[in-house]
Amino acid sequence: NAGVTQTPKFQVLKTGQSMTLQCAQDMNHNSMYWYRQDPGMGLRLIYYSASEGTTDKGEVPNGYNVSRLNKREFSLRLESAAPSQTSVYFCAEGGSNYEQYFGPGTRLTVT
Amino acid sequence: GNSVTQMEGPVTLSEEAFLTINCTYTATGYPSLFWYVQYPGEGLQLLLKATKADDKGSNKGFEATYRKETTSFHLEKGSVQVSDSAVYFCALSDRTRNAGNMLTFGGGTRLMVKP
Repeated sequence: NAGVTQTPKFQVLKTGQSMTLQCAQDMNHNSMYWYRQDPGMGLRLIYYSASEGTTDKGEVPNGYNVSRLNKREFSLRLESAAPSQTSVYFCAEGGSNYEQYFGPGTRLTVT
Repeated sequence: GNSVTQMEGPVTLSEEAFLTINCTYTATGYPSLFWYVQYPGEGLQLLLKATKADDKGSNKGFEATYRKETTSFHLEKGSVQVSDSAVYFCALSDRTRNAGNMLTFGGGTRLMVKP
């Protein structure tokens, strides 16, 4: 039981490049989330998916797209990376008592 | 709207000292409350939770009591260790209007424990 897994762990992109961050959960829960964490800014919600087949914008969705591929997988795509998207990205899944469980994070640098 | 306010850090303590990290909240409904811990280079881990007023969450020597009258959920530990050095986040989930079970986080408090 791995909980929430994220790939890759580290990534360096050049401005304008695209990439997809992958997230998978094995807890069979409905809700999944993507956050970014920046120094001094805490956690900010980018997108979430309340159930398979649905996605909604969070606090900072601009520059990102998401896909809820199935109940297990929720990916985050950067179509044209910008230096402002340098951050640590966390995926999470929602438990049955309103808590969330987080993955280990992806550290992205855009140069 | 919902909000969570935590004391700003860093909090620096000596080993075996008593820890309090203050957390207050504003919510329109009936929130569940959480403390998460983030060790360096890792993701957030759920530390403890409380789902209704007067509930006490506890784990690994940490405790927090859901105080509805003061809208608070302060984190305490009687004797901290160097290994407790981390960033602590208070969070709430407003169950009455939260179809996506979203969390509202505080800004985090960094704890540094010196030997």
